[in-house]
Amino acid sequence: DIVMTQTPLSSPVTLGQPASISCRSSQSLVHSDGNTYLSWLHQRPGQPPRLLLYKISDRFSGVPDRFSGSGAGTDFTLKISRVEAEDVGIYYCMQGTHIPWTFGQGTKVEIK
Amino acid sequence: QVELQESGPGLVKPSETLSLTCSVSGYSISSGYFWGWIRQPPGKGLEWIGTIYHTGSTSYNPSLESRVTISVDTSKNQFSLKLTSVTAADTAIYYCARSDDYWGQGALVTVSS
Repeated sequence: DIVMTQTPLSSPVTLGQPASISCRSSQSLVHSDGNTYLSWLHQRPGQPPRLLLYKISDRFSGVPDRFSGSGAGTDFTLKISRVEAEDVGIYYCMQGTHIPWTFGQGTKVEIK
Repeated sequence: QVELQESGPGLVKPSETLSLTCSVSGYSISSGYFWGWIRQPPGKGLEWIGTIYHTGSTSYNPSLESRVTISVDTSKNQFSLKLTSVTAADTAIYYCARSDDYWGQGALVTVSS
């Protein structure tokens, strides 16, 4: 199985300041079709995960542009340009290139 | 607006079969996409169980493959999960999802006698 490793696991942030989460995969996530199926999801307490970004950097419908993604191969980053109160929760990276699809451990973002 | 809703028993006895159904509205399953199940033990991370393509082709997590069946009923626009021989370790919130973009609210299934 592809192991997805997120850092940090906890991120206290100040409102209005940027935040960044790293995700590293144990193998390249480039699919044979040329796409890289790396997604970022956000989960608030008691809620299902919500898709933020797919294929590394494409924002899903309705996702604010303060969320951005970058990376290639095995190293990926989620950036929040200015953290807002509604951004608290757990962020997961997920790979859909290899079976089984796998998730990172999650990064908890909270306000200082 | 694509919406998914899980349904099924919230309590299953050890060694029995867990059965859940996901009802989809706002999109026809037969039009495409992968349709899958993901679970999350209370307070823990996410685990992919498996997916079914609209053609009926399935992929399962090897860790669960011997106990899992995912099927689709396009006439009802639903897909289902069966997990056999359950134990307490299968206690989790079970989510159905369209690929990774639309998710149901989740169904808590507890395995207990």
